[in-house]
Amino acid sequence: AQSVTQLDSHVSVSEGTPVLLRCNYSSSYSPSLFWYVQHPNKGLQLLLKYTSAATLVKGINGFEAEFKKSETSFHLTKPSAHMSDAAEYFCVVSDLQFYFGTGTSLTVIP
Amino acid sequence: EAQVTQNPRYLITVTGKKLTVTCSQNMNHEYMSWYRQDPGLGLRQIYYSMNVEVTDKGDVPEGYKVSRKEKRNFPLILESPSPNQTSLYFCASSFGSPGANVLTFGAGSRLTVL
Repeated sequence: AQSVTQLDSHVSVSEGTPVLLRCNYSSSYSPSLFWYVQHPNKGLQLLLKYTSAATLVKGINGFEAEFKKSETSFHLTKPSAHMSDAAEYFCVVSDLQFYFGTGTSLTVIP
Repeated sequence: EAQVTQNPRYLITVTGKKLTVTCSQNMNHEYMSWYRQDPGLGLRQIYYSMNVEVTDKGDVPEGYKVSRKEKRNFPLILESPSPNQTSLYFCASSFGSPGANVLTFGAGSRLTVL
C-alpha cells in the first residue's frame, strides 16, 4: 500500500522568503503524486501533479515540486512567499486510490 | 462551470437524527469519493464509487452509507449520527479510476452532531 508523510505540520516564513514543504512517500512502483492547497473555509485545489514525465513539475502561483525517486520525496517549493500563500497544503500519492498526507499549515509573516 | 456541489454547507444536528449530505458533479466523472477532514489527521476516505451502482468502503466507513444510482450524484447518509461524526466532509470526483487523474473537490460540508 502507498503512504505519504508530510514532515512538517506547521511552517512559518516571512513574506518574500523561500517556501519549502516536505513530502516523502512509500510506493511499490512509480506513483502519481500531487500537491493540493486548501485556503481557509475552501475546498482543495490542485497545485501541481507528477505523472512520470519531467521530474521538476511547475504548478500554479509560482509553486513547483521535484520528484526524487532515490529519496522517495516530492517536496514543494516557491522562491518567494506571498501573503496569499497562507493555507493548508496536502501531498497526495495515488495508484488505485488516493492517499493523503496529514497536511502542512503554512503561515506567511508580513 | 465544471464543479462538484455539496449541500448543505453547514449543518448542526442532534444524535440519532438521520441526515443526508448531497454531492453532485457536472463533469461526467466516473469516480466519486467522500472524505472527512479532522485536525491533525488530514483527509480520510469514507466511501468511493468507481461508477454507477459500484461502491466500496474506504478507510473509515463505520456509521456511513452511500449510494450511486446516477452517475452525477453520490449522497452520503448518516443513519444515526453520533458526536464523533462531527467533522468537515468533502466530496470529490475524477475521470476514471485514480492514478494520474486529478480529483475535483466540492467546497465542503461542516457537520456538527450534538
